[in-house]
Amino acid sequence: LAKTTQPISMDSYEGQEVNITCSHNNIATNDYITWYQQFPSQGPRFIIQGYKTKVTNEVASLFIPADRKSSTLSLPRVSLSDTAVYYCLVGDAYHNAGNMLTFGGGTRLMVKP
Amino acid sequence: EAGVAQSPRYKIIEKRQSVAFWCNPISGHATLYWYQQILGQGPKLLIQFQNNGVVDDSQLPKDRFSAERLKGVDSTLKIQPAKLEDSAVYLCASSFRGREAGELFFGEGSRLTVL
Repeated sequence: LAKTTQPISMDSYEGQEVNITCSHNNIATNDYITWYQQFPSQGPRFIIQGYKTKVTNEVASLFIPADRKSSTLSLPRVSLSDTAVYYCLVGDAYHNAGNMLTFGGGTRLMVKP
Repeated sequence: EAGVAQSPRYKIIEKRQSVAFWCNPISGHATLYWYQQILGQGPKLLIQFQNNGVVDDSQLPKDRFSAERLKGVDSTLKIQPAKLEDSAVYLCASSFRGREAGELFFGEGSRLTVL
């Protein structure tokens, strides 16, 4: 199973772009990469999912290099409300298998004014 | 669209007592999950249901935890007897089966404090 490694914490300022990188050296061919966001006292919320290259939605972009051994979640122009824990998960999205369901420690992002 | 509903939101019990949590997933979601999240840690999967069958319960402490999903809709997670280390937030999530299966929809959780 592909294990993920991400920084424990990051600090940023309002208006900056934040990039959180996740390492997953043993990613398998069928694995997708999914990012979740969690605020205190709430359940995690899906942000974005991708398989390769770049995926963009209304809140974030996900960059995946050709070897797929890492991925970067990019949050443009963060605000105080983006302060949260961000989790990177890797696994077989179609079958909800493997580490697709395993949350690590996540990255605590603190956005300062 | 209604989200995943959980109750109760908060529960305080003494050790060795029992407690039950209820979850109602999003309508049409075949897959249901229970997670345990201890303060400062990421959620840990306890059990996964596909309709009313168990797909994975390898991390469920079966000597004290039980879960059921009768009729493939609502689910109940029970702890009996509770231990101090069971203090955590219990999160329920649901998902479609298929290409969108990678997205889990979580409820707000049930916070358990064991004294």
